[in-house]
Amino acid sequence: GAGVSQSPSNKVTEKGKDVELRCDPISGHTALYWYRQSLGQGLEFLIYFQGNSAPDKSGLPSDRFSAERTGGSVSTLTIQRTQQEDSAVYLCASSLARDTSPNQPQHFGDGTRLSIL
Amino acid sequence: SQQGEEDPQALSIQEGENATMNCSYKTSINNLQWYRQNSGRGLVHLILIRSNEREKHSGRLRVTLDTSKKSSSLLITASRAADTASYFCATALDLNAGGTSYGKLTFGQGTILTVHP
Repeated sequence: GAGVSQSPSNKVTEKGKDVELRCDPISGHTALYWYRQSLGQGLEFLIYFQGNSAPDKSGLPSDRFSAERTGGSVSTLTIQRTQQEDSAVYLCASSLARDTSPNQPQHFGDGTRLSIL
Repeated sequence: SQQGEEDPQALSIQEGENATMNCSYKTSINNLQWYRQNSGRGLVHLILIRSNEREKHSGRLRVTLDTSKKSSSLLITASRAADTASYFCATALDLNAGGTSYGKLTFGQGTILTVHP
């Protein structure tokens, strides 16, 4: 597609359940990022992918959070045993690799609004 | 933690007026970017200014960067009701991980701009 696509757009689930959030980046963008946006914390970096590998996972808040990327394209962010503090908007962004194109902006999807009851 | 601090937190103006938003940051940067976010949507890249640049223009947008003061400003001239949104500055720091370099973005808390018709 023309832009970054995220699904679902909204997700409501009960505390303790697992959730999977999907991101489909812009075709040809090898760099992919996940961010979390919440009222108290603003926009926080979670993880960076280059191709299928994740050289920077420093923003994942706990071991309940994991992410993978396959085929250098679609990425899935999984949250296990969800807690109420996981409620937030999860944003995905993609860009060209910096090595080939420095100072690239990141292109964001519209996010998944996650609500934990 | 958020590196950038933006002020004001909220700005309310009339159509036709100019809007100025400021951003301060704490560490060295490679570039600074401004993004806009409409309610319920993802972030849209507006403009990028490199650390060796002092001013940049794009349409009705003017961005300045003062690396000695670690601050930037975004000016929107002749504002329109459609400019109503949240505006975020993001500082980019070049990092190396897993054999690749990438620009890691750290966002400010944002300024909520309301333009009244």
